[in-house]
This record gives sequence, C-alpha cells and structure tokens, in this order.
Amino acid sequence: GNSVTQMEGPVTLSEEAFLTINCTYTATGYPSLFWYVQYPGEGLQLLLKATKADDKGSNKGFEATYRKETTSFHLEKGSVQVSDSAVYFCALSASNSGYSTLTFGKGTMLLVSP
Amino acid sequence: GAGVSQSPSNKVTEKGKDVELRCDPISGHTALYWYRQSLGQGLEFLIYFQGNSAPDKSGLPSDRFSAERTGGSVSTLTIQRTQQEDSAVYLCASSLAHGGNQPQHFGDGTRLSIL
Repeated sequence: GNSVTQMEGPVTLSEEAFLTINCTYTATGYPSLFWYVQYPGEGLQLLLKATKADDKGSNKGFEATYRKETTSFHLEKGSVQVSDSAVYFCALSASNSGYSTLTFGKGTMLLVSP
Repeated sequence: GAGVSQSPSNKVTEKGKDVELRCDPISGHTALYWYRQSLGQGLEFLIYFQGNSAPDKSGLPSDRFSAERTGGSVSTLTIQRTQQEDSAVYLCASSLAHGGNQPQHFGDGTRLSIL
C-alpha cells in the first residue's frame, strides 16, 4: 500500500534560519506529491505540489523536489518567519481506477521564534 | 463563498447520540472527499464521492458511519450512536475532477467532541 513518512516534530527554529522537513514515500506507480500546511485553528491549505520526477514545486519561499530515485519530497525554505509556524503535511496521491485519494504523513509541527 | 465550507465548526454531543456533519464544496468541483484528523492517527481517508456516487467507502471505520451527496454538491457525513473514539476533526475536501494531479481544497473542518 501507499505510505508517507515525515520527520517527527516539533521543529524549533529561530527567525531567518534554514528549514528542512524530510518526507519519504512508498507508492505503486507514479504518484503526485504535495505539501499541505495547517495554521493554528485553520484547515489544510495546499502549499505546493509536484506531479512527476524531478519536478520542483515552490510557493511562498518554500520548495520541494520530487526525487524518484530516493522516493523523497523534502520541504525547504531558506529563511523562515514567525508566521511560518504551523503543521506541515506531506502527502501523495496515487490514482486508483481513475480517481485518487490522498495519503498523508503524520505532520510536522514547525515553531519559529523571533 | 470561494472555498469549501463545513458546518458546524464545533460539535459537542453525548455518547450514543447521532450527529450530522455538512460539507459544501467549491462550485463546479465534482470530486468530494471526507477525512478524519485525530491525535495519534494523523489524517485518515474516509470516503470519496464522484458526483453523487461513492465509488470508495473503504475508509469508513464502521457501519455507524455513512455519507451521502445530493445534486452533485452538498455532502453530509452521519455518525450514529457516537462513541468517544469518534472524537476528532472531520475534514472535507473537493477537487475539480478525479486524477492524481488534481489538488484537493480543504474546508476548516468540524471539531467533534463526544462526552
């Protein structure tokens, strides 16, 4: 079956530090990969996505590259802000009979201090 | 509105009662999904709708859980005879169509607490 493994949190950083949140996956076929972010008290928001190998998704200074050889989709940001404090979920979507459901990692909480 | 709307945002009820959760997807989105987010379990898929039909109900945890969708739009998730382990945040998502590269757009969820 499909699965997503991401690093456990919380990840605690100072403002302007470099961020990496690791994500690896197991899937049959060729899944699409996503990062979602959940700010306190809010629902999940799509942060970025990549649909094929070597694609790089980017948004709001965050980046992740679809690495098929290492089955990874690590999230990075060069300089985090306090407003980036949230829970980050890595997810994959693999089509089954023409539709897809998301398989999520357990989430990584990021805490950024001033 | 422009996004996925869920109601109520919070629901507290006694064990054994039935509850009904509502999801109003983004207009024009044919695919609708329900997920459950609970401590220790992360995010779990419950059920998927394409139009009014549900080709995948594999994630529903027991026969106390059911869902329907009418008019290809609003969906309701019903939990009968609620148990304490049903306490969680129930999230609804919709997407334009099926297909692995279609992003799913989520509502803010319904926080369900069973006393």
